[in-house]
Amino acid sequence: GENVEQHPSTLSVQEGDSAVIKCTYSDSASNYFPWYKQELGKRPQLIIDIRSNVGEKKDQRIAVTLNKTAKHFSLHITETQPEDSAVYFCAASNESGGSNYKLTFGKGTLLTVNP
Amino acid sequence: NAGVMQNPRHLVRRRGQEARLRCSPVKGHSHVYWYRQLPEEGLKFMVYLQKENIIDESGMPKERFSAEFPKEGPSILRIQQVVRGDSAAYFCASSPAPTSGNTIYFGEGSWLTVV
Repeated sequence: GENVEQHPSTLSVQEGDSAVIKCTYSDSASNYFPWYKQELGKRPQLIIDIRSNVGEKKDQRIAVTLNKTAKHFSLHITETQPEDSAVYFCAASNESGGSNYKLTFGKGTLLTVNP
Repeated sequence: NAGVMQNPRHLVRRRGQEARLRCSPVKGHSHVYWYRQLPEEGLKFMVYLQKENIIDESGMPKERFSAEFPKEGPSILRIQQVVRGDSAAYFCASSPAPTSGNTIYFGEGSWLTVV
């Protein structure tokens, strides 16, 4: 089955700096890669996703890049703000045959943005 | 998506008791997914149900756990004879269909504590 590794497990940055979180996956058939943000005691919220037909996607301060050959994808947050502090999870799934429901998650990165 | 409703939000059970977690999908969604999040871990897929059918239960523990999604009413995740290792957050998600482009959004979760 799929295995997703996520690094780093904790990340501390100063407000205004950029933050980068990296994930690798093992199953070359995976083609859908969402990122979730989870605040303490809350549900994971989808913040951005990418499919394997594109290499990069951007939404305001958040961007995701995908390298299919190397089987890794990254989340980039620019101009970080204290409210970006949360645990971020990457995930992967194979949408072929309509099975994008079976997400495999990384273990998460605790991002702390210091004012 | 705030439309996925889960209850109870918090549940405390003694070892050996039963836990029942309920999930009402977004109106019009007929596909429900359950995920479990152990402390300081990412989410792990448990089961995928359609109305009156279990489609994929490959992530369900073999014993004590069961799930249903009846024709009427919410989906139920049932854990019999709970043990301390069952303490976790249980998240439900729904979609109109698990095809490409239908992103998974989670409900607010049910936090089970076994004492």
